[in-house]
Amino acid sequence: DIQMTQSPSTLSASVGDRVTITCRAGQSIGNWLAWYQQKTGKAPNLLIYKASTLQSGVPSRFSGSGSGTEFTLTISSLQPDDFATYYCQEYSSYSGTFGQGTKVEIK
Amino acid sequence: QVQLVQSGAEVKKPGTSVKVSCKASGYTFTGSGISWVRQAPGQGLEWMGWISAYNGNTNYAQKLQDRVTMTTDTSTSTAYMELRSLRSDDTAVYYCARKLGILAFDIWGQGTVVTVSS
Repeated sequence: DIQMTQSPSTLSASVGDRVTITCRAGQSIGNWLAWYQQKTGKAPNLLIYKASTLQSGVPSRFSGSGSGTEFTLTISSLQPDDFATYYCQEYSSYSGTFGQGTKVEIK
Repeated sequence: QVQLVQSGAEVKKPGTSVKVSCKASGYTFTGSGISWVRQAPGQGLEWMGWISAYNGNTNYAQKLQDRVTMTTDTSTSTAYMELRSLRSDDTAVYYCARKLGILAFDIWGQGTVVTVSS
């Protein structure tokens, strides 16, 4: 199984801040990388797939970039609804390993 | 609408098995795959494996491959995940999720709480 490493584990930010989360894969995964948002007690919600494609209905303040082993999720202007935990996931070769998650907290 | 509806909460004794179901509706079941993901209390997401609803091919996470079996029933558009030899650290919320083409996991079930306790 491919290892996925996210950083930071926790991020404190204010409404309006630009926020960046990094994800590294243990081997090249091309652009088979997704980002999810999860709120407490809820199923994850797909934000971005194929590293940079915004899922339908997701606000444009979310963006993704990267390929190979290094990827980033950026929230251009943090909104109150964005305080949650974010996970990256590789989904190459019918697998789906997740990063350990980044909790975005209110500063 | 497109949705996945999972079976209800389970309480199991260590050493026994659990089988969770995931019923799909609103789309062509055999046109996609179903993955299973679990989340222990206060922990992150753990991918367990994937099954093709088209041909039944599977791919399991290495750490679970000796204890997990995923199946589908195309006549009822239902996927199943069975986990055997349950231990206390299998206590988690278990989710099914659709994987369609190049999309990642775009539709998720509501989750099934499995508690393993003596």
